[in-house]
Amino acid sequence: NAGVTQTPKFQVLKTGQSMTLQCAQDMNHNSMYWYRQDPGMGLRLIYYSASEGTTDKGEVPNGYNVSRLNKREFSLRLESAAPSQTSVYFCASSEIGGVGQPQHFGDGTRLSIL
Amino acid sequence: RKEVEQDPGPFNVPEGATVAFNCTYSNSASQSFFWYRQDCRKEPKLLMSVYSSGNEDGRFTAQLNRASQYISLLIRDSKLSDSATYLCVVNSHSGNTPLVFGKGTRLSVIA
Repeated sequence: NAGVTQTPKFQVLKTGQSMTLQCAQDMNHNSMYWYRQDPGMGLRLIYYSASEGTTDKGEVPNGYNVSRLNKREFSLRLESAAPSQTSVYFCASSEIGGVGQPQHFGDGTRLSIL
Repeated sequence: RKEVEQDPGPFNVPEGATVAFNCTYSNSASQSFFWYRQDCRKEPKLLMSVYSSGNEDGRFTAQLNRASQYISLLIRDSKLSDSATYLCVVNSHSGNTPLVFGKGTRLSVIA
Protein backbone atom coordinates (compact mmCIF):
# COMPACT_ATOMS: atom_id res chain seq x y z
CA ASN A 1 0.00 0.00 0.00
CA ALA A 2 1.81 3.12 -1.24
CA GLY A 3 -0.52 5.72 0.36
CA VAL A 4 1.14 9.13 -0.07
CA THR A 5 4.37 9.19 -2.07
CA GLN A 6 6.76 12.14 -2.07
CA THR A 7 9.71 12.72 -4.35
CA PRO A 8 12.53 13.42 -3.92
CA LYS A 9 13.35 12.29 -0.38
CA PHE A 10 16.41 14.54 -0.11
CA GLN A 11 17.55 17.57 -2.06
CA VAL A 12 20.24 20.21 -1.74
CA LEU A 13 19.80 23.47 -3.63
CA LYS A 14 21.72 26.67 -4.00
CA THR A 15 20.08 29.97 -3.14
CA GLY A 16 18.04 31.19 -6.09
CA GLN A 17 17.52 27.82 -7.71
CA SER A 18 14.02 26.55 -8.39
CA MET A 19 12.59 23.18 -7.50
CA THR A 20 9.31 21.28 -7.56
CA LEU A 21 8.42 18.78 -4.87
CA GLN A 22 6.10 16.06 -6.08
CA CYS A 23 3.33 14.35 -4.13
CA ALA A 24 0.93 11.63 -5.25
CA GLN A 25 -1.70 9.64 -3.35
CA ASP A 26 -3.42 6.45 -4.38
CA MET A 27 -6.27 6.50 -1.83
CA ASN A 28 -8.70 8.45 -4.04
CA HIS A 29 -8.66 11.27 -1.48
CA ASN A 30 -10.20 14.60 -2.34
CA SER A 31 -8.04 16.89 -0.19
CA MET A 32 -4.28 17.33 -0.20
CA TYR A 33 -1.90 19.46 1.87
CA TRP A 34 1.68 20.69 2.03
CA TYR A 35 3.37 21.33 5.38
CA ARG A 36 6.82 22.31 6.47
CA GLN A 37 8.31 21.28 9.80
CA ASP A 38 11.19 23.05 11.48
CA PRO A 39 12.73 22.26 14.87
CA GLY A 40 10.55 23.63 17.68
CA MET A 41 7.94 24.99 15.26
CA GLY A 42 5.66 22.05 14.71
CA LEU A 43 3.86 21.48 11.42
CA ARG A 44 2.98 24.63 9.51
CA LEU A 45 0.54 24.52 6.63
CA ILE A 46 1.86 26.05 3.40
CA TYR A 47 -0.98 25.41 0.94
CA TYR A 48 -3.83 23.00 0.64
CA SER A 49 -6.26 21.79 -1.99
CA ALA A 50 -9.69 20.93 -0.65
CA SER A 51 -10.66 19.30 -3.93
CA GLU A 52 -9.39 18.92 -7.45
CA GLY A 53 -9.28 22.32 -9.12
CA THR A 54 -8.99 24.39 -5.94
CA THR A 55 -6.03 25.58 -3.90
CA ASP A 56 -5.84 27.82 -0.84
CA LYS A 57 -3.10 29.46 1.17
CA GLY A 58 -2.20 28.15 4.57
CA GLU A 59 -0.21 29.73 7.37
CA VAL A 60 3.11 30.21 5.53
CA PRO A 61 2.54 30.46 1.74
CA ASN A 62 5.12 33.11 0.87
CA GLY A 63 7.83 31.88 -1.48
CA TYR A 64 5.81 28.85 -2.64
CA ASN A 65 3.36 27.95 -5.38
CA VAL A 66 1.27 24.83 -5.78
CA SER A 67 -0.48 22.94 -8.55
CA ARG A 68 -3.23 20.38 -8.12
CA LEU A 69 -2.45 18.53 -11.32
CA ASN A 70 -5.28 16.02 -10.96
CA LYS A 71 -7.00 14.22 -8.11
CA ARG A 72 -3.89 12.17 -7.33
CA GLU A 73 -1.12 14.75 -7.57
CA PHE A 74 -0.32 17.96 -5.73
CA SER A 75 3.04 19.64 -6.35
CA LEU A 76 4.87 22.37 -4.42
CA ARG A 77 7.21 24.75 -6.24
CA LEU A 78 9.96 26.95 -4.88
CA GLU A 79 10.63 29.54 -7.59
CA SER A 80 13.73 31.07 -6.02
CA ALA A 81 14.95 29.05 -3.06
CA ALA A 82 16.15 30.85 0.05
CA PRO A 83 18.07 29.45 3.07
CA SER A 84 14.97 30.12 5.22
CA GLN A 85 13.19 27.44 3.21
CA THR A 86 15.52 24.75 4.51
CA SER A 87 13.10 22.38 6.17
CA VAL A 88 11.37 19.02 6.07
CA TYR A 89 8.35 19.13 3.79
CA PHE A 90 5.41 16.78 4.28
CA CYS A 91 2.53 16.16 1.91
CA ALA A 92 -0.72 14.78 3.29
CA SER A 93 -4.14 13.78 2.01
CA SER A 94 -7.58 13.15 3.46
CA GLU A 95 -10.91 11.83 2.26
CA ILE A 96 -12.46 15.27 2.68
CA GLY A 97 -11.07 18.27 4.49
CA GLY A 98 -12.24 19.25 7.92
CA VAL A 99 -14.82 17.33 9.81
CA GLY A 100 -14.17 13.76 10.80
CA GLN A 101 -11.37 12.80 8.49
CA PRO A 102 -7.75 12.29 9.56
CA GLN A 103 -4.86 13.19 7.29
CA HIS A 104 -2.36 10.66 5.98
CA PHE A 105 1.22 11.78 5.46
CA GLY A 106 4.00 10.98 3.05
CA ASP A 107 7.43 10.28 4.50
CA GLY A 108 8.76 13.74 3.75
CA THR A 109 11.30 15.59 1.64
CA ARG A 110 14.39 16.92 3.41
CA LEU A 111 15.42 20.10 1.64
CA SER A 112 18.58 22.10 2.31
CA ILE A 113 19.20 25.47 0.72
CA LEU A 114 22.82 26.63 0.76
CA ARG B 1 -4.66 31.95 22.78
CA LYS B 2 -3.26 29.37 20.38
CA GLU B 3 -5.76 27.08 18.67
CA VAL B 4 -4.16 23.93 20.02
CA GLU B 5 -1.77 23.90 22.97
CA GLN B 6 0.33 21.09 24.36
CA ASP B 7 3.02 20.81 27.00
CA PRO B 8 6.16 20.21 24.92
CA GLY B 9 7.74 18.00 27.61
CA PRO B 10 9.90 16.03 27.56
CA PHE B 11 8.18 13.49 29.75
CA ASN B 12 10.80 10.99 30.90
CA VAL B 13 9.18 7.87 32.36
CA PRO B 14 10.42 4.37 33.26
CA GLU B 15 9.25 1.32 31.40
CA GLY B 16 5.94 0.09 32.74
CA ALA B 17 4.80 3.48 33.96
CA THR B 18 1.50 5.13 33.13
CA VAL B 19 1.72 8.56 31.55
CA ALA B 20 -0.92 11.06 30.49
CA PHE B 21 -0.84 14.07 28.19
CA ASN B 22 -3.41 16.81 27.92
CA CYS B 23 -4.09 19.16 25.07
CA THR B 24 -6.33 22.23 25.10
CA TYR B 25 -8.13 23.72 22.13
CA SER B 26 -9.63 27.17 21.76
CA ASN B 27 -12.57 26.72 19.40
CA SER B 28 -15.61 25.36 21.21
CA ALA B 29 -17.15 24.46 17.82
CA SER B 30 -14.41 21.90 17.10
CA GLN B 31 -15.84 18.55 16.10
CA SER B 32 -12.97 16.20 15.25
CA PHE B 33 -10.07 15.24 17.46
CA PHE B 34 -7.09 12.98 16.89
CA TRP B 35 -3.79 11.91 18.41
CA TYR B 36 -0.87 11.40 16.06
CA ARG B 37 2.51 9.93 16.83
CA GLN B 38 5.72 11.20 15.23
CA ASP B 39 9.05 9.42 15.54
CA CYS B 40 12.27 11.37 15.13
CA ARG B 41 12.76 12.43 11.49
CA LYS B 42 9.67 10.52 10.38
CA GLU B 43 6.21 11.51 9.22
CA PRO B 44 3.27 11.92 11.66
CA LYS B 45 1.11 8.81 11.86
CA LEU B 46 -2.45 8.57 13.10
CA LEU B 47 -2.50 6.94 16.53
CA MET B 48 -6.20 7.19 17.27
CA SER B 49 -9.29 9.29 16.82
CA VAL B 50 -10.90 10.73 19.94
CA TYR B 51 -14.61 10.18 20.36
CA SER B 52 -17.01 12.00 22.64
CA SER B 53 -17.55 8.93 24.79
CA GLY B 54 -13.83 8.24 25.07
CA ASN B 55 -12.13 5.30 23.42
CA GLU B 56 -9.45 2.76 24.08
CA ASP B 57 -6.99 0.92 21.84
CA GLY B 58 -4.90 -1.56 23.77
CA ARG B 59 -2.70 0.38 26.18
CA PHE B 60 -3.89 3.74 24.85
CA THR B 61 -6.97 5.61 26.07
CA ALA B 62 -8.21 8.90 24.67
CA GLN B 63 -10.73 11.17 26.35
CA LEU B 64 -12.54 14.33 25.29
CA ASN B 65 -13.78 16.96 27.73
CA ARG B 66 -15.87 19.43 25.77
CA ALA B 67 -16.80 21.54 28.78
CA SER B 68 -13.16 22.31 29.56
CA GLN B 69 -12.05 22.05 25.93
CA TYR B 70 -9.30 19.52 26.28
CA ILE B 71 -8.43 16.06 25.10
CA SER B 72 -6.17 13.60 26.84
CA LEU B 73 -4.08 10.58 25.97
CA LEU B 74 -3.25 7.94 28.58
CA ILE B 75 -0.57 5.35 27.93
CA ARG B 76 -0.45 2.39 30.30
CA ASP B 77 2.47 0.00 30.79
CA SER B 78 4.84 2.21 28.77
CA LYS B 79 7.24 0.48 26.38
CA LEU B 80 10.57 1.73 25.08
CA SER B 81 8.96 1.79 21.65
CA ASP B 82 6.42 4.36 22.86
CA SER B 83 9.19 6.99 22.86
CA ALA B 84 8.05 9.57 20.32
CA THR B 85 6.37 12.95 19.99
CA TYR B 86 2.60 12.89 20.37
CA LEU B 87 0.65 15.47 18.38
CA CYS B 88 -2.79 16.68 19.37
CA VAL B 89 -4.91 17.44 16.29
CA VAL B 90 -8.20 19.29 16.09
CA ASN B 91 -10.49 20.41 13.34
CA SER B 92 -10.92 23.97 14.52
CA HIS B 93 -13.23 25.31 11.87
CA SER B 94 -16.41 24.16 10.26
CA GLY B 95 -16.53 23.14 6.66
CA ASN B 96 -13.80 21.96 4.39
CA THR B 97 -10.72 23.25 6.21
CA PRO B 98 -7.49 21.58 7.27
CA LEU B 99 -6.88 20.11 10.68
CA VAL B 100 -4.85 22.10 13.19
CA PHE B 101 -1.83 20.36 14.67
CA GLY B 102 -0.35 21.04 18.09
CA LYS B 103 3.43 21.25 18.36
CA GLY B 104 3.58 17.97 20.19
CA THR B 105 4.60 16.46 23.51
CA ARG B 106 7.83 14.51 23.64
CA LEU B 107 7.85 11.22 25.52
CA SER B 108 10.97 9.27 26.42
CA VAL B 109 10.49 5.86 28.00
CA ILE B 110 13.61 4.79 29.85
CA ALA B 111 14.73 1.25 30.63
